[in-house]
Amino acid sequence: AQSVTQLDSQVPVFEEAPVELRCNYSSSVSVYLFWYVQYPNQGLQLLLKYLSGSTLVKGINGFEAEFNKSQTSFHLRKPSVHISDTAEYFCAVIVTGANNLFFGTGTRLTVIP
Amino acid sequence: EPEVTQTPSHQVTQMGQEVILRCVPISNHLYFYWYRQILGQKVEFLVSFYNNEISEKSEIFDDQFSVERPDGSNFTLKIRSTKLEDSAMYFCASSVGPSQETQYFGPGTRLLVL
Repeated sequence: AQSVTQLDSQVPVFEEAPVELRCNYSSSVSVYLFWYVQYPNQGLQLLLKYLSGSTLVKGINGFEAEFNKSQTSFHLRKPSVHISDTAEYFCAVIVTGANNLFFGTGTRLTVIP
Repeated sequence: EPEVTQTPSHQVTQMGQEVILRCVPISNHLYFYWYRQILGQKVEFLVSFYNNEISEKSEIFDDQFSVERPDGSNFTLKIRSTKLEDSAMYFCASSVGPSQETQYFGPGTRLLVL
């Protein structure tokens, strides 16, 4: 069985400040890792994903994430946030060979002007 | 840019009634999914569908649920006899391939069972 833990349910941050949203996972088999964003009243949009290779993954809107196998983490970062980054962020995994995304509970990022 | 669409955006129904939620996946995609998100909770997988049959389903997807691809474009989720606890946002998604391929989500249908 797999699990995804997003330790922070809410993260307030001032505009233009850096932010890190934490994600840890556990799985007995290898997984693919994803970050999705959900803007108010919209569906989920892929920010980035890690499949293999370089552990630093760059995504849309200036976000990046680093896969750390020893710590089973996949934290999401952005060096300078904008008001428009206010949204819910979900970390998710897919067990290799499966098709279903398994989501964490989400982190609500609020950017303060 | 192609996108997944869902109808209706909101649905209110009485407990025990049947509902059908509709989705139009991206046209060249071959894998289709339903997820749900109960208010304040995480997004949960319900079912995946490929080659006109269910490929995976979760424990949530019991006999009250069914999926169908009635034609070349639509993908539907039917709940036969709704319960209060079925109230949730239901998301459809599609992907060009399995597993590591990106799943593209629709905007969701908010279902309220009274």
